[in-house]
Amino acid sequence: DGGITQSPKYLFRKEGQNVTLSCEQNLNHDAMYWYRQDPGQGLRLIYYSQIVNDFQKGDIAEGYSVSREKKESFPLTVTSAQKNPTAFYLCASSLAPGASASNQPQHFGDGTRLSIL
Amino acid sequence: AQSVAQPEDQVNVAEGNPLTVKCTYSVSGNPYLFWYVQYPNRGLQFLLKYITGDNLVKGSYGFEAEFNKSQTSFHLKKPSALVSDSALYFCAVMGGSARQLTFGSGTQLTVLP
Repeated sequence: DGGITQSPKYLFRKEGQNVTLSCEQNLNHDAMYWYRQDPGQGLRLIYYSQIVNDFQKGDIAEGYSVSREKKESFPLTVTSAQKNPTAFYLCASSLAPGASASNQPQHFGDGTRLSIL
Repeated sequence: AQSVAQPEDQVNVAEGNPLTVKCTYSVSGNPYLFWYVQYPNRGLQFLLKYITGDNLVKGSYGFEAEFNKSQTSFHLKKPSALVSDSALYFCAVMGGSARQLTFGSGTQLTVLP
């Protein structure tokens, strides 16, 4: 079945450590997104990519980095500069938000829950 | 800038009664509006969207939403609630030249048996 796979489901980070969250999609979508979800705050956009080898900062990019070397993959690295990384991280994809596709819904993975040791 | 407000953090309704989850938005230009549902420790699932046309939009699992341009609202409704509808509901908007969704803070719906 087509969909988005996020791994691992649970992840623990030690102080000063970088960790990478995986996101893979087989929907042939051009656009991919990373969101952070905190209780009572909804989803906040970290980074997004509309095409391979290109990505843009979202509203809360500080302390995070991404790459988009393949259409199917959009990994997120939570760096040691992110002082409050405990959250639920969601990856999503959609058709590229061009004029004809900006009304297409985003498809979400089942998330990675990151905690601090 | 675009924004979404979900004024109720929590909505409780008895099984079999109608339910409404409220959403208002602010965008420049015509809005694209979406509702998503999230079950515990899962991602968001798409329910329905408004792009243009009829103000009443029908979606998955018997849900519908009414677009009201003058009140800038897009409330989610269902005629008869089920216990299994209990979940976290998010409204989202994309408008004008924006190419990203902006989500509301979410409303926790609890349907009581």
